[in-house]
Amino acid sequence: DAGVIQSPRHEVTEMGQEVTLRCKPISGHNSLFWYRQTMMRGLELLIYFNNNVPIDDSGMPEDRFSAKMPNASFSTLKIQPSEPRDSAVYFCASSRTGGLFYGYTFGSGTRLTVV
Amino acid sequence: GQQLNQSPQSMFIQEGEDVSMNCTSSSIFNTWLWYKQDPGEGPVLLIALYKAGELTSNGRLTAQFGITRKDSFLNISASIPSDVGIYFCAGSSGNTPLVFGKGTRLSVIA
Repeated sequence: DAGVIQSPRHEVTEMGQEVTLRCKPISGHNSLFWYRQTMMRGLELLIYFNNNVPIDDSGMPEDRFSAKMPNASFSTLKIQPSEPRDSAVYFCASSRTGGLFYGYTFGSGTRLTVV
Repeated sequence: GQQLNQSPQSMFIQEGEDVSMNCTSSSIFNTWLWYKQDPGEGPVLLIALYKAGELTSNGRLTAQFGITRKDSFLNISASIPSDVGIYFCAGSSGNTPLVFGKGTRLSVIA
């Protein structure tokens, strides 16, 4: 299994530009999570999906952030317009519900720098 | 909301020393998990605990699910340089998402 695949690994963009982060979860996993990691705040849950349906987006910081999951094998996190304070590492994770819980499998992350 | 207090925040140890870190919660969890994050990578699951009092080992790592279900600890014996990283505890109470601690940053001095 290739694991959770995120792209790009690094993104440098100018303030005001649109940024799209992509995630391919593990095949057969039906829950998908987007996290943001910073030194100050640690791992913050932004939004999660069950069976492609957004369940809780209360962690999304502002309306500038949006996430979609059009099918079971793909999700995007979009920031429009981006701001320097959005600079962080963004992780996607997936898991399977039902049966013994083995936690989440994380991708390698996208390091976003907004200048 | 649920919060996890993880300590210590950081540790500097000599190679060969044992390490201990812990997490406490304001509420009960059904599952405790311990993750390790290497630089530039995502967290990777080390150990999962499912029952109060459970003690589980994975090589040099040992973790326990506290009897009160509100705490857990992780021990690393005979540390080596590749143990460097950030260790996270996480708790699950069922259908809600995992709650993560802020992490313990481990540095090993050879």
